[in-house]
Amino acid sequence: EDQVTQSPEALRLQEGESSSLNCSYTVSGLRGLFWYRQDPGKGPEFLFTLYSAGEEKEKERLKATLTKKESFLHITAPKPEDSATYLCAVQEDEIRGGATNKLIFGTGTLLAVQP
Amino acid sequence: ETGVTQTPRHLVMGMTNKKSLKCEQHLGHNAMYWYKQSAKKPLELMFVYSLEERVENNSVPSRFSPECPNSSHLFLHLHTLQPEDSALYLCASSRARGWGQETQYFGPGTRLLVL
Repeated sequence: EDQVTQSPEALRLQEGESSSLNCSYTVSGLRGLFWYRQDPGKGPEFLFTLYSAGEEKEKERLKATLTKKESFLHITAPKPEDSATYLCAVQEDEIRGGATNKLIFGTGTLLAVQP
Repeated sequence: ETGVTQTPRHLVMGMTNKKSLKCEQHLGHNAMYWYKQSAKKPLELMFVYSLEERVENNSVPSRFSPECPNSSHLFLHLHTLQPEDSALYLCASSRARGWGQETQYFGPGTRLLVL
């Protein structure tokens, strides 16, 4: 069964304290892995898409990496405004996923950055 | 208006009511999605419309009825809901598979409470 597991469930950091969030996945054929940020009461906001093992993408203090089994979201010197829930989702390839762009989501990591 | 919009943002309804959720996308996409987000659970895909045809119905009860009159608008008609249907309902849009980058962009959601 296709599955996405995120860890930790919650993470509290001091401002400037770098850390990483993990997303482990088991899908038969990966088309893409997506990272989103979700603030309370809002919809998920797109951050990154990764397509193949070894790929990395950066945006401000965030860097996403991908291996064949997991992805990491590295947060360097976080600020309080980085506090949010970070969601990971995978998309299957055409053979298994069919004609849709179905995303399989994890439960997210709730990040709190204290000043 | 830009991006993906949803109305209403909040909805309280009784179990015997009939209501509709509306989603509109201004991104030129041709695929639209309904997701359900409950506390402590991953986002659950409900329906997918690609090129105005329903291509995925993820075992959703018949008390939820989607409608996609054109590629910019998506509705979710609700009737005789149960208290366990209380959740955040998210709409998303993307390009259909094979039409280019397939990243899904989300609206702000409708917070639904069923009494």
